[in-house]
Amino acid sequence: EADIYQTPRYLVIGTGKKITLECSQTMGHDKMYWYQQDPGMELHLIHYSYGVNSTEKGDLSSESTVSRIRTEHFPLTLESARPSHTSQYLCASSEGGTGEYFGPGTRLTVT
Amino acid sequence: QQQVKQSPQSLIVQKGGISIINCAYENTAFDYFPWYQQFPGKGPALLIAIRPDVSEKKEGRFTISFNKSAKQFSLHIMDSQPGDSATYFCAASLKAGGTSYGKLTFGQGTILTVHP
Repeated sequence: EADIYQTPRYLVIGTGKKITLECSQTMGHDKMYWYQQDPGMELHLIHYSYGVNSTEKGDLSSESTVSRIRTEHFPLTLESARPSHTSQYLCASSEGGTGEYFGPGTRLTVT
Repeated sequence: QQQVKQSPQSLIVQKGGISIINCAYENTAFDYFPWYQQFPGKGPALLIAIRPDVSEKKEGRFTISFNKSAKQFSLHIMDSQPGDSATYFCAASLKAGGTSYGKLTFGQGTILTVHP
């Protein structure tokens, strides 16, 4: 069974705060991804990793950063949150050329 | 060349009807074509997928039709139910090799509403 976890599920935070969105998967997948999605809209890839210690920027420019120190863990960090960062952030993982499995998402609101 | 174009943007169907969502792609290096279903407040869930060596794949009420020469594929939902109301995304990924292997390119999404 595909298990990918994201915490927190909801976050309301003030401008200028540093935040880290957590993502973990228990499937041993080599590839992991972060997407940004506004409600009912397209998914925009902001970061991906094809293994430990390897990360790449996605198609959509983002001020966030990621790290991949362990296979199962792929956290996303915003050093200084702004209202423009308000969105839903989705984490996903995959193995080779098969489909991606998505977490439930983190809905971020920056006030 | 990496784009996947999806239509329609929204679709309203009566219960029991057939829902059809279409996608078109340009990059002939794509070789994996999944469809995702997303309910409000949830992450997308893999629904059904196809590779270009077959023209059709059916799982329950969901069927993917694939036309390699036209570079198009579609999702058909037979006997549509109100519980099928969701946003549907098509996607495509590249053949093996290179760091982009497995990275999906998504369509723009279709909001499906099935009326009782």
